[in-house]
Formats: sequence, structure tokens, C-alpha cells
Amino acid sequence: DAGVIQSPRHEVTEMGQEVTLRCKPISGHDYLFWYRQTMMRGLELLIYFNNNVPIDDSGMPEDRFSAKMPNASFSTLKIQPSEPRDSAVYFCASSLGGNTIYFGEGSWLTVV
Amino acid sequence: GIQVEQSPPDLILQEGANSTLRCNFSDSVNNLQWFHQNPWGQLINLFYIPSGTKQNGRLSATTVATERYSLLYISSSQTTDSGVYFCAPTIAGKSTFGDGTTLTVKP
Repeated sequence: DAGVIQSPRHEVTEMGQEVTLRCKPISGHDYLFWYRQTMMRGLELLIYFNNNVPIDDSGMPEDRFSAKMPNASFSTLKIQPSEPRDSAVYFCASSLGGNTIYFGEGSWLTVV
Repeated sequence: GIQVEQSPPDLILQEGANSTLRCNFSDSVNNLQWFHQNPWGQLINLFYIPSGTKQNGRLSATTVATERYSLLYISSSQTTDSGVYFCAPTIAGKSTFGDGTTLTVKP
């Protein structure tokens, strides 16, 4: 299996620009998670979906962040407008039935 | 929300030594997972262990859900075991990560 696939792997953008991160979960998995990792706050759950439906978005920091899952094989996390404090590694992960979680390799975002 | 406490925060071992990492959590959980983040940032699932004991090679894990803790044992440590170990208890599909234990294994 190809695993969870994220893109881009690295992105450097200027403050105020829109950033879109993409994720393809493992085929057949029904849960999809977006996490953010920073030195200060560790690994935080931003939002998760079950069968393409957002279940809990309480971790989304503010209205500048949005996430969608239009189908079972694709999800996006969008930041608009981006700010330097959004710099972090963003991980997508998926699981089957809420069991073992498999992470992608992460998208390393730097906002300057 | 649930509170997750991992100890020790940092651990330095000589290659070949054994270690025990602990994860305490504040609420009843549906399951618990252990992850290893290697120096390149990859997060690898080690165990899905809602209760009981599991073993995988030199690693084993035990979760005592009624007492709200889990332990990860690493035996005969190797330099490739270095990295950060996270536990993540789950309630209703939502997993909360602890701050991790940073393990350094010296040759």
C-alpha cells in the first residue's frame, strides 16, 4: 500500500498568501485526521473526518483555517491568509474504524 | 479535555540498555497508541493497545486502562531507537498526543 500521501512536502510562502495542503489517505480508510506539530505546542489535532464528514473541528485555530474532504480519497487544509505563526509541520493521518493511525510524511510550512 | 503526561521527558541510554517509558492519562479511553518519531520527522505507529500487553521484537507495551496508564518497554536498545516516543489515548475517535519522551541511544 502506498501509505498516506501528502503534498507539498515543503512550502515557503509570504505572509498573506493562501496555502493549500493536500492529503490522500490510505485506500479504504474511513477516518482522516489533520495534525499540526510545533515546538511550542507539540502535536495538536486540528480536525478529523469520518466517512468524509467533519466530526470535530474544535482544534482549528481560527477562521483562517479550513478543511474539506470532497471524497474518500482526498482532503485539503487551507490557510488564508497565512501568518508567520502558522509555520509548522502539518500531518495528515488516516485509520480504519478509528483503530491504528497511519501518518503521512508531513508538509513543512514556513511563512515569512 | 483529556490530560496526557509522559515520563521521563528525556532519556539517554547506552546501546544495549533497557528502558521503560510511561504514559498517564486523566480519563477513560477507548484505545491508546504508541508512536515513534524518528530524527527525520516520520511518525511510525508502534502499538495499538487499548488494554493488556503486546510485544513486537524488542519492544513491548502494556496498558492498564482501569488505572489510566500505559508503559512502553524497549529492550537491548539500538542507536536507531533514538527519537521521540509519543503516546496517544483516544476518546470517541479523537486522539490526544502527550509531549513525548525524547530518547537518545549512544553507541
